[in-house]
Amino acid sequence: AQKVTQAQTEISVVEKEDVTLDCVYETRDTTYYLFWYKQPPSGELVFLIRRNSFDEQNEISGRYSWNFQKSTSSFNFTITASQVVDSAVYFCALSEAFYGGATNKLIFGTGTLLAVQP
Amino acid sequence: DTAVSQTPKYLVTQMGNDKSIKCEQNLGHDTMYWYKQDSKKFLKIMFSYNNKELIINETVPNRFSPKSPDKAHLNLHINSLELGDSAVYFCASELTGNTEAFFGQGTRLTVV
Repeated sequence: AQKVTQAQTEISVVEKEDVTLDCVYETRDTTYYLFWYKQPPSGELVFLIRRNSFDEQNEISGRYSWNFQKSTSSFNFTITASQVVDSAVYFCALSEAFYGGATNKLIFGTGTLLAVQP
Repeated sequence: DTAVSQTPKYLVTQMGNDKSIKCEQNLGHDTMYWYKQDSKKFLKIMFSYNNKELIINETVPNRFSPKSPDKAHLNLHINSLELGDSAVYFCASELTGNTEAFFGQGTRLTVV
């Protein structure tokens, strides 16, 4: 069965600390996509990154970086030099394709609440 | 210009009422979704439509009826509202084969 586990329910850090959010997934598919979304206190879902199963290269975007390891079925997210504006709930998700990709079902983890204290 | 817009943003209603949430996207996408986020922030898919055809119906009570009049719109009608229906409902859309869903801002439904 498809499943995404975010074991960290809440993390609290002080501004400028680095923080890593863990994500472990389960799937029987050989082709799949992994995502991270941010949900700030205002409530909208903000897309951060998509990674396909054939691309294990790590990615860096400013203070954000992602480490994808198929061997451990993990897709971890690191924020360097955290800021108060990073405070949000972060969701990891796995995409399951239906009908040859005509539609995709996002399977979300339970989210990690990150609180960055000034 | 809002890419995926939902109306209303907030909806407070009494048990037993019938209500609708509307969703429109101007991205030219052909697939649209409804997701539900419960009070514990858990997000789960409810429905998906591709070119106005229902593809995914994720064991949602039949009090929930989605309707897609065209590819740009996906509405959600809920009959006989119950307290447990209180949640945030997100609409999303994507282009077939792209696997990047764009989400609306959510509709917070409160049933009292």
